[in-house]
Order: sequence, then structure tokens, then C-alpha cells
Amino acid sequence: EPEVTQTPSHQVTQMGQEVILRCVPISNHLYFYWYRQILGQKVEFLVSFYNNEISEKSEIFDDQFSVERPDGSNFTLKIRSTKLEDSAMYFCASSEETLDQPQHFGDGTRLSIL
Amino acid sequence: GESVGLHLPTLSVQEGDNSIINCAYSNSASDYFIWYKQESGKGPQFIIDIRSNMDKRQGQRVTVLLNKTVKHLSLQIAATQPGDSAVYFCAENHNAGNMLTFGGGTRLMVKP
Repeated sequence: EPEVTQTPSHQVTQMGQEVILRCVPISNHLYFYWYRQILGQKVEFLVSFYNNEISEKSEIFDDQFSVERPDGSNFTLKIRSTKLEDSAMYFCASSEETLDQPQHFGDGTRLSIL
Repeated sequence: GESVGLHLPTLSVQEGDNSIINCAYSNSASDYFIWYKQESGKGPQFIIDIRSNMDKRQGQRVTVLLNKTVKHLSLQIAATQPGDSAVYFCAENHNAGNMLTFGGGTRLMVKP
């Protein structure tokens, strides 16, 4: 069964450094998402992406965050200057459509900011 | 603000029994709902979904019930197995956007 893959599984970064999290969505999916889950809290929406542009973003997704689809298979999340509170699990998801279609998630990248 | 929430943080059931996990939502504009299962160290795994024009949908060993009158969603797991032990999240979506709003999760523990 096709799946969303994320790399790395664990990223440790010094505060203030830039970090890039990588995702390979399911190949025939057209909509891509990033979510995060702070330890012990709910999964929170960050951003959705379609047709090479952001279609929706949450308040969490401020100017420090950016997304890119650099080629036909990868989808990345960049945090420019990491803060301690960016420590979380970051999940990538993809779907065929936005309306009434399930989003399928990867296993996440654990980001630890020191 | 409007949110999706769960009544019980932990549910413990005997292997072979049926499990019912509940979820309350407050956004009346929500029209699509999903249940996810999350095992330790893994991402949310899609289980079953339901659209707001339905009140019941069945899958393999799982049934989702939607009561729009009281804004309540439930997941029923028949003949619960040890492999069902995980955290279960409900999530909701509305046509105005494509973000999912997740509930807080319920941990299901299956006793052998």
C-alpha cells in the first residue's frame, strides 16, 4: 500500500538554526499538508499546499515557516530560526482531493531544539 | 472557540469485547469526519470516515456513528484485539477549508 514517507525520523538542532524536514507524499496525491504535535497535546494543522502554492495556513505558520515542492516527489517544511517551542513531532500528510477525502499521514519527524 | 473534543482520555476493555470511543464537536459547519489510530512512534493511521449526509458507516470491525443533532461522533470496534491498543483521534473538516481539526485523543487499552 502506498505511504507517505518522512525523513529524518529524528532531528536535533541548536536554537536559532535552520531546519528542513522532508516528505515524499503518495505519488498520485495532489494536496499536501504539514501538522505538528507537541508532546502530550493535540495534532495541530500548520499548512496545506496545492498546485505549487499555499492554500491554507494556521496562526502557527508564521514568517519563520515555509514550504516548498522542489521537484515532482518531495515536499519540505523549513523553519528558518528555530525556537525551543518548535520542539514537536511534525507530520506530513497528503490526499487526492481536499473535499471528503482522507488525509494520509507519514510517521513523522521528531524535532528537538536544544 | 469551536473545537473537537473527547470525553474519555483512557478506555480499558477486555479482549473480545466491543469498544466505543466518543467524540464531541462544536463546529456546526463540519461536514466530514475521520477517525485515526495512532500507535506509539507512528503517525495517525486512517481508519474510517463519514460525511455529514450519513449517520452510520461500517468498515471491517469498525462502525462510525454520527449524530448531528447533538454534534456527537463515535467509533465502535467489534471484538477488540490487542492490536487495537492505541490512541484514537477524531478529526473534522468543513468545506470552507482543507485543514483537519483534531480532538485530544482517547487511549484504548486492551486487556488479554
